[in-house]
Amino acid sequence: QQPVQSPQAVILREGEDAVINCSSSKALYSVHWYRQKHGEAPVFLMILLKGGEQKGHEKISASFNEKKQQSSLYLTASQLSYSGTYFCGTSMDTGRRALTFGSGTRLQVQP
Amino acid sequence: EADIYQTPRYLVIGTGKKITLECSQTMGHDKMYWYQQDPGMELHLIHYSYGVNSTEKGDLSSESTVSRIRTEHFPLTLESARPSHTSQYLCASSEARGLNTEAFFGQGTRLTVV
Repeated sequence: QQPVQSPQAVILREGEDAVINCSSSKALYSVHWYRQKHGEAPVFLMILLKGGEQKGHEKISASFNEKKQQSSLYLTASQLSYSGTYFCGTSMDTGRRALTFGSGTRLQVQP
Repeated sequence: EADIYQTPRYLVIGTGKKITLECSQTMGHDKMYWYQQDPGMELHLIHYSYGVNSTEKGDLSSESTVSRIRTEHFPLTLESARPSHTSQYLCASSEARGLNTEAFFGQGTRLTVV
C-alpha cells in the first residue's frame, strides 16, 4: 500500500528544474505532498484530488494521473530554500483513514 | 501557522521505563495521528483518531497505546520502553470537515532508549 517515490535523491543547481514522482499500485482518491527540512516537521505543500481539483498555496505545481495512479511534483527554477525531503502521502478513500507516506525524495539545491 | 505542540522535544530514557509523549493542538481538529519516523526515512502511521473516544491502530505495529479523552489532546504511552523504540515520533492533526484536508505536524519527539 505504501506509494513508491522516485528518484530517491536529487542534487540541483539553483535555478534548475526537478520532477519528483509518486506512484501507487492501488486506486487513489488523493495525493498529498509535504516537504520536511532536516530536524523540522513536515510542511504541507499541495493536495491533488481525484477529479482534478487541486489545492495548494506555494509556487510549486503538481499533476495527478488517475489512470496510472501517479502524481508528479514540479519544482521550477529551484531555490536554495527548496532543499529538503519531499514526501507524497496517498489516500484511497475520502479521507477516513490517515495518509500512507512514501519513502521520500531528498532534494539538495546548491548555489 | 500550525498550533500543534509536542513535548518533550528530546527524551533519553532507560529500558523498562514507562513514558508518555504529549501532543496538543489548539485548532479544534477532530482527526489526530501519530507517525514514527527513523532519521531520513519514511513516516509510518502507528495510531490515529477521528475524535474523542475514537482510536485505531495504524499500518505499523506498535507496542504503544493512545487515548483521546479531549479533542485537543492525544498522548502516546509506552508502558515499558525498549531500545527498539528509539525513533522520532511525529504527531499531526487535520480537520474532519471536508475531504482530504491538509495535515499539520508537530515538531516531533526524538526518543532514545538506552
